[in-house]
Amino acid sequence: DAKTTQPNSMESNEEEPVHLPCNHSTISGTDYIHWYRQLPSQGPEYVIHGLTSNVNNRMASLAIAEDRKSSTLILHRATLRDAAVYYCILRDGRSNFGNEKLTFGTGTRLTIIP
Amino acid sequence: GAVVSQHPSRVICKSGTSVKIECRSLDFQATTMFWYRQFPKQSLMLMATSNEGSKATYEQGVEKDKFLINHASLTLSTLTVTSAHPEDSSFYICSARLAGGNTGELFFGEGSRLTVL
Repeated sequence: DAKTTQPNSMESNEEEPVHLPCNHSTISGTDYIHWYRQLPSQGPEYVIHGLTSNVNNRMASLAIAEDRKSSTLILHRATLRDAAVYYCILRDGRSNFGNEKLTFGTGTRLTIIP
Repeated sequence: GAVVSQHPSRVICKSGTSVKIECRSLDFQATTMFWYRQFPKQSLMLMATSNEGSKATYEQGVEKDKFLINHASLTLSTLTVTSAHPEDSSFYICSARLAGGNTGELFFGEGSRLTVL
């Protein structure tokens, strides 16, 4: 499986934008970039995913480098509820959608400062 | 969005007993569910892939006779921890994807915290 590298932890002030980086230098052409987050004592929650183009949804934006070797999850205005561990995961797009699995790394623990 | 529910959310049992954890997809059908385990301060580790109507596929190092998985319907998968020991104490999380779905999104349950005394 292609590996991702994320900082262990980050801090951000409340109501400011947060940029969470992820390096995936060994990404293959068919790998999708997925982001999930896990709040304390809860299961992970889907945030966003993309392949080549930047993506936006109601939770966040995903900026993907032109060479796809890195990406950045952007929270436009952090709130205290965004404090969580954020996981950047690569998923092989060639796999059957129903049977592929996600391999979680260590993620980035985001702390929001009031 | 789709909802995956786990039960129980917390369970405490004595060493040597068996514990069953249920994972249900409440408003969608899931041909495949995944079971993860998470120890404190660590990431999620995939234990097995549960396929409806067939045997589960276990990850390397996971004992299939100890962690029994049954996926009898499109909305229910169960994980039974047999002869539990204190080292099995962990946070167990299931996930599912919409049958035939192609959004790439996995829906996770809220997790079940097992404590073995």
